[in-house]
Amino acid sequence: GAGVSQTPSNKVTEKGKYVELRCDPISGHTALYWYRQSLGQGPEFLIYFQGTGAADDSGLPNDRFFAVRPEGSVSTLKIQRTERGDSAVYLCASSVGTRGMGNTEAFFGQGTRLTVV
Amino acid sequence: GEDVEQSLFLSVREGDSSVINCTYTDSSSTYLYWYKQEPGAGLQLLTYIFSNMDMKQDQRLTVLLNKKDKHLSLRIADTQTGDSAIYFCAESENYGQNFVFGPGTRLSVLP
Repeated sequence: GAGVSQTPSNKVTEKGKYVELRCDPISGHTALYWYRQSLGQGPEFLIYFQGTGAADDSGLPNDRFFAVRPEGSVSTLKIQRTERGDSAVYLCASSVGTRGMGNTEAFFGQGTRLTVV
Repeated sequence: GEDVEQSLFLSVREGDSSVINCTYTDSSSTYLYWYKQEPGAGLQLLTYIFSNMDMKQDQRLTVLLNKKDKHLSLRIADTQTGDSAIYFCAESENYGQNFVFGPGTRLSVLP
């Protein structure tokens, strides 16, 4: 597609349930990022993939959060035992380059708004 | 840890200049960015500046960087109603990667 696509655009789930959020990066982009944006705040880094591997997962808040990118393209962010505090907009971004390479702008998707009730 | 701060709100009249300010704490910040977020839209990169520069101009946008004070500003000349949005300051060590964002400044442009 022309840009980063995230599905669903909105997700409402009950506390304690499991959710999966999907990101389709721009074709050919090897780097993929997940961020979380809580209401009234800036996005916070969660995890960075280079190809299929998680190069930096230091932003994941706890072990309920997990992300995969098995074929180096689509990524899924998985949240177990959701809590009300997980409610936020989850943003995905992709870029061409690898860590340390210059001039690789990150393009953001429109996000998935997750509401835990 | 790393921290990026911005004032939360700014109101200007159409046609005036807007100046949005940002401070950051990480001395190793190599790149500093301004992103724009409109309702229902993704983050859009407006401009960025490398830390060895002190100014960058791109059409109506002027970015000033005071590295000593760790202060970044974005000036929008001839502000239009279409400029109404939330503006995020961000920093990173490597271009385009692992951003630390500020809380965003909501710019309202009054007719």
